[in-house]
Amino acid sequence: DAGVIQSPRHEVTEMGQEVTLRCKPISGHDYLFWYRQTMMRGLELLIYFNNNVPIDDSGMPEDRFSAKMPNASFSTLKIQPSEPRDSAVYFCASSGQGTNYGYTFGSGTRLTVV
Amino acid sequence: AQSVTQLDSQVPVFEEAPVELRCNYSSSVSVYLFWYVQYPNQGLQLLLKYLSGSTLVKGINGFEAEFNKSQTSFHLRKPSVHISDTAEYFCAVSPSNRDDKIIFGKGTRLHILP
Repeated sequence: DAGVIQSPRHEVTEMGQEVTLRCKPISGHDYLFWYRQTMMRGLELLIYFNNNVPIDDSGMPEDRFSAKMPNASFSTLKIQPSEPRDSAVYFCASSGQGTNYGYTFGSGTRLTVV
Repeated sequence: AQSVTQLDSQVPVFEEAPVELRCNYSSSVSVYLFWYVQYPNQGLQLLLKYLSGSTLVKGINGFEAEFNKSQTSFHLRKPSVHISDTAEYFCAVSPSNRDDKIIFGKGTRLHILP
């Protein structure tokens, strides 16, 4: 199994631009999570999906952030417009055994907004 | 709701010395407990987990953790550390009786001194 695959690994963009982060979960996993990691705030859960349906988006910081999961093998996290304070590492994780049993994380996307 | 406290943000240890990383949790229900490791520029990787049964849990890379219900702790230990153990370690908790997301601690950075 290739694990959770995220792309791109690094993204540098100018303030105001749209940014799209991508995630492919492990095949057969029906839960998908998006996290953001910064030095100041640590690891924050942004949103999670079950069977492609968003279940809890209470961690999404503001309307500039949106996430979709059009099918079981693909999810996107979009920031529009991006701001310097969005600079962080964004992780995707998936689980095939519910939300409380342990997750498999991707390698992350390091986003820098200048 | 659950919460997790990692008492040390950084722990320096000499190579080949033993180490203990402390984790305490709070929960009104029974829990699952996890330790994840994050090597530099990588995603989080599951080190070990306690679901039920023996309170001493063995994980990868020679790490082990002990679940202590009376002290609500789940400390991580290794008898002899190596330079390759340099990483950030995250303790996490979830409720065992329902489908709810895992709560992560703020992490402990392990520095191995030569």
